[in-house]
Amino acid sequence: KAGVTQTPRYLIKTRGQQVTLSCSPISGHRSVSWYQQTPGQGLQFLFEYFSETQRNKGNFPGRFSGRQFSNSRSEMNVSTLELGDSALYLCASSLPGGSTEAFFGQGTRLTVV
Amino acid sequence: AQRVTQPEKLLSVFKGAPVELKCNYSYSGSPELFWYVQYSRQRLQLLLRHISRESIKGFTADLNKGETSFHLKKPFAQEEDSAMYYCALTSSGGSNYKLTFGKGTLLTVNP
Repeated sequence: KAGVTQTPRYLIKTRGQQVTLSCSPISGHRSVSWYQQTPGQGLQFLFEYFSETQRNKGNFPGRFSGRQFSNSRSEMNVSTLELGDSALYLCASSLPGGSTEAFFGQGTRLTVV
Repeated sequence: AQRVTQPEKLLSVFKGAPVELKCNYSYSGSPELFWYVQYSRQRLQLLLRHISRESIKGFTADLNKGETSFHLKKPFAQEEDSAMYYCALTSSGGSNYKLTFGKGTLLTVNP
C-alpha cells in the first residue's frame, strides 16, 4: 500500500508570492490533516479535512487555506508569503472513526526568500 | 488550551541503559495520548498510543492522569532507538484528528 505522498518535496519562493502544496493520502483514508514544523515552534496543526469539508482549524492566519477533493487528495495554499512561513509542511491521513493512527508524508520543505 | 510539554530537548544514554522520555500534558477533558517517532531520514510514525496498552520495540508508556504525564520508558536502550520522539495528544471520541505535539526529545544512544 502506497504511503502518504506530498509534492513537491522542496520549494523556494519569494516573499509576497503564493504557493500550493499537494497531498495524496493512503487509499481509503478520507481524513487529511496538515501541520507546520519549524525549529522554534515545533509541529503545529494547520487544519483537517474530511469528505471535502474542513472539520478542524488551527490558529493560523487566513493566508493559510486548504481544500480537499472528492478523491480525498488535499491541497494547501499560502498566499502573500512571509519569511516566517519557511517551514516543513507535513500532511497526515487517517481512517475515519475515533482516535486512529495518523500516517505522515515526508513533507514539503518551503523556503521563502 | 491543550498543551504538551517535553522538558528535555536532548537525551543521551549508553546502550543497555534504561531510558525515560518525559511528557506532561495540560488538557481539560479526557485526552488520547500518543508517542510518535522520527528516525533519521524517515517520516514521522506512530510508536504507541495509551489506549492500546502495548509494548512496541520494548517501549512502554503509562498514562498517569493524576500527574498528567505520559512518560515513555525502555529498560535497555539500543543504538537503533536513536531518533526524535514526540509526545502528542488529541481529544478522545468524535472527530479528533487535531494532534497537539510536544517539541520533541532527541534521543541518542551511544555504543
